[in-house]
Amino acid sequence: DTGVSQDPRHKITKRGQNVTFRCDPISEHNRLYWYRQTLGQGPEFLTYFQNEAQLEKSRLLSDRFSAERPKGSFSTLEIQRTEQGDSAMYLCASRLGTGLVWETQYFGPGTRLLVL
Amino acid sequence: AQSVTQLGSHVSVSEGALVLLRCNYSSSVPPYLFWYVQYPNQGLQLLLKYTTGATLVKGINGFEAEFKKSETSFHLTKPSAHMSDAAEYFCAVSENFGNEKLTFGTGTRLTIIP
Repeated sequence: DTGVSQDPRHKITKRGQNVTFRCDPISEHNRLYWYRQTLGQGPEFLTYFQNEAQLEKSRLLSDRFSAERPKGSFSTLEIQRTEQGDSAMYLCASRLGTGLVWETQYFGPGTRLLVL
Repeated sequence: AQSVTQLGSHVSVSEGALVLLRCNYSSSVPPYLFWYVQYPNQGLQLLLKYTTGATLVKGINGFEAEFKKSETSFHLTKPSAHMSDAAEYFCAVSENFGNEKLTFGTGTRLTIIP
């Protein structure tokens, strides 16, 4: 069990550019979550996957944001036409979802995005 | 809709003193409650959780929290603060057994005074 990993850890981009982040969950975890954390705030839910299916998206996830989990393993989060307001820490979490008992969400170290 | 309020964005305690971080929640159904800790430039680590059963929950690093339904509270305590406890602490609530998304409070930054 190597934990949840995220890549890159830091990203600096210019306004208007596209960026893509990757999350590798703990193996065998079928549920994967994306959260966004702005400075001085707690993480806010963006979206979640069960296997490859994206089952819920927050209203925070504008049409410039897209997330995929094509084979039910790693996930990508893409932001198109970045804006300065997109500057934040993007956190990924995974959990084993048996539906029988409560399982803990394990968080990755995050990708810190700065849009200039 | 569920929500979490953490009273006090900054708390300072002396090393060896009691740590008390406050959390109140709002939930339309029996909640699942969590405390996470975040060290600088790191992700969140689960300290403890309440799902069902005993209302006094013990976690890692000597922390514990008590679920009080009548007060809609889930305060975090530690009898004796250590320098290594300096971090940001987040209380979170979840209602749904279906997707288990977490709703976090705004966090409390804990500073330990030597």
